[in-house]
Amino acid sequence: DIQMTQSPSTLSASVGDRVTITCRVSQSISSWLAWYQQKPGKAPKLLIYKASTLETGVPSRFSGSGSGTEFTLTISSLQPDDFATYYCQQYNVYYSFGQGTKLEIK
Amino acid sequence: EVQLVESGGGLVQPGGSLRLSCAASGFSFSSYWIHWVRQVPGKGLVWVSRINGDGRSRSYADSVKGRFIISGDNAKNTLYLEMNSLTVEDTAIYYCARAGSPLSAFDMWGQGTMVTVSS
Repeated sequence: DIQMTQSPSTLSASVGDRVTITCRVSQSISSWLAWYQQKPGKAPKLLIYKASTLETGVPSRFSGSGSGTEFTLTISSLQPDDFATYYCQQYNVYYSFGQGTKLEIK
Repeated sequence: EVQLVESGGGLVQPGGSLRLSCAASGFSFSSYWIHWVRQVPGKGLVWVSRINGDGRSRSYADSVKGRFIISGDNAKNTLYLEMNSLTVEDTAIYYCARAGSPLSAFDMWGQGTMVTVSS
C-alpha cells in the first residue's frame, strides 16, 4: 500500500498569510496527486488534480506543485473561507489519502 | 442539478447488513467511475470501493473485501454498496464520489450517509 504523510497536522495562520502544506508519498506516483478541502459537516471538495492543475472554479490563490514523492499545496493569501482541513490523495495505485492538515485561525 | 445523493445509512448491530444507495442526477454514471470513501467522524478519509460505468470492473479495499459488494443500476442511475458482516470498525460516514477514469481525482462527492455499527 502507498502511504501518505502530510505535514503539519495543524497549522495556525492569519488572514493574508501565505501557507504551505506538504505531502510525502512512500513511493513515486508521478503526478497522480490531488488536494481536497473539507469543512466541518461537509463532503470534501476537489481543489487540485494531477499535482498542479486547478479544478474549475477554484480561486487562483491555491496552487500545487511537486512530482514523484513530494508535493506541496500553497495558499498565497489566506481568506476567511480557507480555514478548513486539507487532504492529499494519490490515485496512481488504487487510492489513499493523507491524514489531513487542519488550518486554523491564529 | 448535477449531484450525487447517498441514502441508506443507519444503526445496525455487529454482524448485520446494510445497503447504501448513491443516486446520480444531472449526468449518467455509466460514463464515470464511482467510488465509495468512508470517514470516521473527526478522522481521515479512507477509500472503500470503486466500480466502472458498465459494472465490469470492481475493486475493494482489503478491509472490506469479501464483505462489501458494489453494484450499479444504469436504468435508475444509482449505485449501491451492500455491506455484510459489519463490525464496529465499519462505523463511519460513507461518501460516494465520481471520477472520470481510474487515474482521475474525485471531482464530485455526495453529502454522505452515516453508518453506525453498535449493539
